[in-house]
Amino acid sequence: DVKVTQSSRYLVKRTGEKVFLECVQDMDHENMFWYRQDPGLGLRLIYFSYDVKMKEKGDIPEGYSVSREKKERFSLILESASTNQTSMYLCASRSKNEQYFGPGTRLTVT
Amino acid sequence: QQQVKQSPQSLIVQKGGISIINCAYENTAFDYFPWYQQFPGKGPALLIAIRPDVSEKKEGRFTISFNKSAKQFSLHIMDSQPGDSATYFCAASKRTDYKLSFGAGTTVTVRA
Repeated sequence: DVKVTQSSRYLVKRTGEKVFLECVQDMDHENMFWYRQDPGLGLRLIYFSYDVKMKEKGDIPEGYSVSREKKERFSLILESASTNQTSMYLCASRSKNEQYFGPGTRLTVT
Repeated sequence: QQQVKQSPQSLIVQKGGISIINCAYENTAFDYFPWYQQFPGKGPALLIAIRPDVSEKKEGRFTISFNKSAKQFSLHIMDSQPGDSATYFCAASKRTDYKLSFGAGTTVTVRA
């Protein structure tokens, strides 16, 4: 079974803090993704990576950056967290058109 | 803007009834249309997918209907069960693309 794990289920941070969200997959997939999920808006793509050290902006990259130093790990970075970044963050890896999602990190920025 | 429009936002159905969720897309280059199912506290998981060379695909109680000329596709859940209560997302992409465009999601509640 494919397993995608995310470092935290719940996270509370203060405005202006630097936030790291970590994602690890165990299936040697080349492609990995970060989404945010908000009610009524579905899943919106923040960034994706098609290979190690390769990344591309998704639909809503502003305020975020990513890092992929190893194939199995894809990190999302909020350089200076703001209240409008309070959301559920989902990581996924991809194989043959199917995306496999982690359980999500619910981030609250106060 | 959202490339895939999904409706309704939520629906309630009695056990044994039929749940129907509709999606519409604009990009005629899309050629892969999956549906994802998400239970509370979990990430979405692939439920069923269709390519535009067929008009219908059935897996158990779940059926995708696809209308290429109308650029619409829908998910039918037959004989709905309480265990089907979840949020359902339609999505679309080009097979050659890495990215999926997701609909806004439909929360389905099946009452026993």
